[in-house]
Amino acid sequence: EPEVTQTPSHQVTQMGQEVILRCVPISNHLYFYWYRQILGQKVEFLVSFYNNEISEKSEIFDDQFSVERPDGSNFTLKIRSTKLEDSAMYFCASAGGTEAFFGQGTRLTVV
Amino acid sequence: AQSVTQLDSQVPVFEEAPVELRCNYSSSVSVYLFWYVQYPNQGLQLLLKYLSGSTLVKGINGFEAEFNKSQTSFHLRKPSVHISDTAEYFCAVSDSDTDKLIFGTGTRLQVFP
Repeated sequence: EPEVTQTPSHQVTQMGQEVILRCVPISNHLYFYWYRQILGQKVEFLVSFYNNEISEKSEIFDDQFSVERPDGSNFTLKIRSTKLEDSAMYFCASAGGTEAFFGQGTRLTVV
Repeated sequence: AQSVTQLDSQVPVFEEAPVELRCNYSSSVSVYLFWYVQYPNQGLQLLLKYLSGSTLVKGINGFEAEFNKSQTSFHLRKPSVHISDTAEYFCAVSDSDTDKLIFGTGTRLQVFP
């Protein structure tokens, strides 16, 4: 069964460093998303991406964040200068219709 | 703007007992409704979804949910839970105009032997 794959599963980084979280969506899907879940809290929408551009983003998705689909298969989330409060589980999702499929997540720990 | 309310942050229940996890939504347009389950240290897995048609939706693992438009609810039910159902359950809504999911705060279902 096709699935969304995220790497790495866990990333530890120092405050102020740049991180790139990687996702391989399901191959025939056209819509891509990043969500964030701070420990013990709800899942929050960050950004959606369609037709090689951002279609919607939340207020969380400020100038420190960017997304890219560099090669037609990967979908990346970059955090330019990480802050302690960026520590969270980051989920990638892709959708081909009305159902979104989620990856297993990347746990980002900023120290 | 859409929103989702899950009133119960935790629901403790004994094994083989029935359970209902509540979800209410608000939206000014037609909605699609979803329940996702998150097992410990795992990602989100779709349990079931309502897009249109029959208001009673059956999902995986014996769960079902009923869409009630007048009460703007989409409560999740299971007649007899197992220990393995212990997890976090998230209700989510999207509308026909946007392509994003809005999640509720989640309900932790804890099943005791």
